Amino acid sequence: NAGVTQNPKFQVLKTGQSMTLQCAQDMNHNSMYWYRQDPGMGLRLIYYSASEGTTDKGEVPNGYNVSRLNKREFSLRLESAAPSQTSVYFCASSGFTSPSGRVYEQYFGPGTRLTVT
Amino acid sequence: DAKTTQPTSMDCAEGRAANLPCNHSTISGNEYVYWYRQIHSQGPQYIIHGLKNNETNEMASLIITEDRKSSTLILPHATLRDTAVYYCIVEPITTGANSKLTFGKGITLSVRP
Repeated sequence: NAGVTQNPKFQVLKTGQSMTLQCAQDMNHNSMYWYRQDPGMGLRLIYYSASEGTTDKGEVPNGYNVSRLNKREFSLRLESAAPSQTSVYFCASSGFTSPSGRVYEQYFGPGTRLTVT
Repeated sequence: DAKTTQPTSMDCAEGRAANLPCNHSTISGNEYVYWYRQIHSQGPQYIIHGLKNNETNEMASLIITEDRKSSTLILPHATLRDTAVYYCIVEPITTGANSKLTFGKGITLSVRP
């Protein structure tokens, strides 16, 4: 299993350009998440998808849109990139890990390093 | 806002136990204590979680005080590869399909040779 994969690994954009960050997981997880991490900071949740067909805002959703394309894939779109969106973006997934349906851990991808000039 | 307080950094000698403290004085009865770590430039990695009992797995041990207001992550024999930022997180485990995590700045552990 590849776990959580993200593409691209690196990207440089000019202010105002748009792009989509791709994320896929092969663990049959129901939930997927997008975080951003600025230098010296912890991760902050942008959007999440509790299950296929649903998405919800996290702590810092402004300037982003998401699509849960299917159970495997969750994409993050920047419609008009700004320098403040320069960050490392992590995708994560989680699934039911016990008969009770409780969720214990999230699995993270390797990240996409985005620079907006 | 993160519900936990951790020191900014600490170090320990290779082969010795690393004890990483965390304060979570406002923890609720349905909230678990999670620990994740992030090795430089990589995505965070789950280590362990607990509710009120001490827990141990192949990576670490988690000691939670009786009043649940603080906890300690123990790496019994630290190696150079354990150098990382360690995040202590308090969140409820949901019976639904989402488990949002709130990361603080974590504690930077440096293991010295």
